[in-house]
Amino acid sequence: GESVGLHLPTLSVQEGDNSIINCAYSNSASDYFIWYKQESGKGPQFIIDIRSNMDKRQGQRVTVLLNKTVKHLSLQIAATQPGDSAVYFCAENYSGGYNKLIFGAGTRLAVHP
Amino acid sequence: EPEVTQTPSHQVTQMGQEVILRCVPISNHLYFYWYRQILGQKVEFLVSFYNNEISEKSEIFDDQFSVERPDGSNFTLKIRSTKLEDSAMYFCAIVRGGETQYFGPGTRLLVL
Repeated sequence: GESVGLHLPTLSVQEGDNSIINCAYSNSASDYFIWYKQESGKGPQFIIDIRSNMDKRQGQRVTVLLNKTVKHLSLQIAATQPGDSAVYFCAENYSGGYNKLIFGAGTRLAVHP
Repeated sequence: EPEVTQTPSHQVTQMGQEVILRCVPISNHLYFYWYRQILGQKVEFLVSFYNNEISEKSEIFDDQFSVERPDGSNFTLKIRSTKLEDSAMYFCAIVRGGETQYFGPGTRLLVL
């Protein structure tokens, strides 16, 4: 979803459930995508990345899926824990190399016990 | 542990004053970036810096902004004459492990 001012879309889940956070990216030429987690008052923290020649990549408790046809990225978090509560941003990078990151609007994940 | 440290963690300044934000990487890096995040909004690119030169800058990065690597270690962002709308979190980032950008903890700037 899109954020409007201070109102981030929020995903509320129960502890132990799986979470899926979605992101639509803007540039069809983007070839590298990253998910960041941002806790209140802190900098974005790298979670997982994926290149455009892949559809899926798995990490520890996290999986990123890439659908280039519809320019969609998702982050799946297995067995969500209270410590996963944060704002999650996707970011895209195009033309490879060390170019700027373009961030999405962010989704707030709220994990309830 | 962050890849970079940033100082100060918080800064309050009067409109029209100059501020210098500092970024100190833990190890040697060639690529540096500054981003900002206005409260409640997404992270926005300001400038990238490679080999002691600006490689790309955004529309936000106007003549009031400048970057320097004065001593080969610190990487600074200067805002010459701050405006109210410069109030934001400012993040420094470096590249490690290929293309992945790692962010510092940020400096919260408040312009009054």
